[in-house]
Amino acid sequence: DGGITQSPKYLFRKEGQNVTLSCEQNLNHDAMYWYRQDPGQGLRLIYYSQIVNDFQKGDIAEGYSVSREKKESFPLTVTSAQKNPTAFYLCASRHASGLNYEQYFGPGTRLTVT
Amino acid sequence: GENVEQHPSTLSVQEGDSAVIKCTYSDSASNYFPWYKQELGKGPQLIIDIRSNVGEKKDQRIAVTLNKTAKHFSLHITETQPEDSAVYFCAAKANSGYALNFGKGTSLLVTP
Repeated sequence: DGGITQSPKYLFRKEGQNVTLSCEQNLNHDAMYWYRQDPGQGLRLIYYSQIVNDFQKGDIAEGYSVSREKKESFPLTVTSAQKNPTAFYLCASRHASGLNYEQYFGPGTRLTVT
Repeated sequence: GENVEQHPSTLSVQEGDSAVIKCTYSDSASNYFPWYKQELGKGPQLIIDIRSNVGEKKDQRIAVTLNKTAKHFSLHITETQPEDSAVYFCAAKANSGYALNFGKGTSLLVTP
């Protein structure tokens, strides 16, 4: 069963702690993305990676870090430097061949920091 | 960067009626415009998309139209059903890594 998995679904952390969100895909997609969603807002791009061992900052990268050591995995770390980390985090992937633009999303992780 | 505006923010229709959601974009170089449906607590699901070389695309009860000159595109849902109730997002392809710039979403409620 192919798809994108994100774990955990809900995550709770104390302020000042770093936390890592998992994103795994078995679609053999090349590109992966992290978006943040806040209530009443659209999705905003945090980081993206088009190939293994390479990633680029999106519009709101401050306070976040990523790695792309394997094609199927793109974990996101929310650091203590992120001023307002409570949000719904969505991972997406895309098969980067030719003019293929379709992005497919995982189920999301809801992070609550208190 | 690309700016995507979406209207209305909320829309309530009766079952069987049509629903229309409109979006505008700012970057004339954008060439891909997907629509996503998001149910509560879930990730967005791609429902239809359109590229800049066509003006309209249909898939059963869903259609999308694109006006490149005016830089706006719309989602049309006909014969709405209660299960169409969800938040709908429009998006436009950005230049950075083929990421997407999203509108703020439209909460659609279809009442029986």
